[in-house]
Amino acid sequence: DIQVTQSPSSLSASVGDRVTITCRASQDIVNYLAWFQQKPGKAPKSLIFAASSMQLGAPSRFSARRSGTDYSLTITSLQPEDFAIYYCQQYKIYPFTFGPGTRVDVK
Amino acid sequence: QVQLQESGPGLVKPSGTLSVTCAVSGASINSRNFWWTWVRQPPGRGLQWLGEVFHDGTTTYNPSLDGRVSLSVDMPKNLFTLRLISVSAADTAVYYCARRGHEHCTGDCRSIDYWGQGALVTVSS
Repeated sequence: DIQVTQSPSSLSASVGDRVTITCRASQDIVNYLAWFQQKPGKAPKSLIFAASSMQLGAPSRFSARRSGTDYSLTITSLQPEDFAIYYCQQYKIYPFTFGPGTRVDVK
Repeated sequence: QVQLQESGPGLVKPSGTLSVTCAVSGASINSRNFWWTWVRQPPGRGLQWLGEVFHDGTTTYNPSLDGRVSLSVDMPKNLFTLRLISVSAADTAVYYCARRGHEHCTGDCRSIDYWGQGALVTVSS
């Protein structure tokens, strides 16, 4: 299976901060990477597909990019509703695998 | 507006069979553009991809489930179903159904776009 890692596992930030989360896969996944946001007690919400494309309805303060084998998600100005857990997922090779998640909480 | 709605038993006895159904509205199960997906999340833990089913019944499963899982589609009712046999406490989780694909492109654009709200299934005697 492709192993997906995320860093950091958690971070504390304040409203207005710029936040970046990184995801790395154990094999080349050629941009087949998605990002999801999950709030407590809720289903995940799709944010990004194809490494850097925005899902319909995702706020424009979210952006993502690929740099070599690293994929990153950036929130340019953290809003109160952005405190959540963020997961990446590779969907290039079965079985599709998720990263362990990055918790973003209030500093 | 695409919506997915899970319905499940809530409680299943160990060694029994877990069955969760996902009713889809605003989209057709019969579409060639989408795979119908199951993901689960044990309490306090991360997400695990379980498998997916295509409109023609083609399935792909996570091997970690050791052949205990099966997925099916019901075209007339526009729903799809997860069945997991020989369950144990380790299968206690919120089970999410989701749609993966894209109407207008192929390749790397085909990720999960819509999720159901989830159904908690507890395995306990």
